[in-house]
Amino acid sequence: DQQVKQNSPSLSVQEGRISILNCDYTNSMFDYFLWYKKYPAEGPTFLISISSIKDKNEDGRFTVFLNKSAKHLSLHIVPSQPGDSAVYFCAANSNTGKLIFGQGTTLQVKP
Amino acid sequence: DARVTQTPRDKVTEMGQEVTMRCQPILGHNTVFWYRQTMMQGLELLAYFRNRAPLDDSGMPKDRFSAEMPDATLATLKIQPSEPRDSAVYFCASAPNRGRAFFGQGTRLTVV
Repeated sequence: DQQVKQNSPSLSVQEGRISILNCDYTNSMFDYFLWYKKYPAEGPTFLISISSIKDKNEDGRFTVFLNKSAKHLSLHIVPSQPGDSAVYFCAANSNTGKLIFGQGTTLQVKP
Repeated sequence: DARVTQTPRDKVTEMGQEVTMRCQPILGHNTVFWYRQTMMQGLELLAYFRNRAPLDDSGMPKDRFSAEMPDATLATLKIQPSEPRDSAVYFCASAPNRGRAFFGQGTRLTVV
């Protein structure tokens, strides 16, 4: 039972263009959402988060959008850079503190 | 520089052997998670603790896996007996209450 789903295993974009990574969730008890970035042979690192009381959070080139009615969130990276190439994980946190991750999306940014 | 420390970084063991993975969470963090990275499931939650008490270990195969926090500075994940299908990267993460989780570098387990 995958409560957090990232349906696109991979995404390839050109340097300078926008990258959009998507995530869907099923549990309406989730109230805090996070995106993590992972390079090979390293642990995931926090990128950006959003509370369920907001619909948008921006940090530099990264913006997360939350659509609660659709139980959907997305991460926008603009402009994309080759150093952004990594696996991106979406995660959802419930009020019990349980942190559930999606399957990940591998982003490749081509020079 | 606060970080989550996991040992060992790599472990190769024979099927049937016991494996113990260790994690030192960030000082002051009261929530500790164990995840397993797989291709199909992504980061699969195995168990998590708050203030050293297990809150949920429903993601673990109960017959062979066990997770404990003997004290606030140490979390352990044991597999006994290990099987080839347990081969994966195991991550520990810690968080202050419900804040963002910080991950260790993982233990790559290979069971042959």
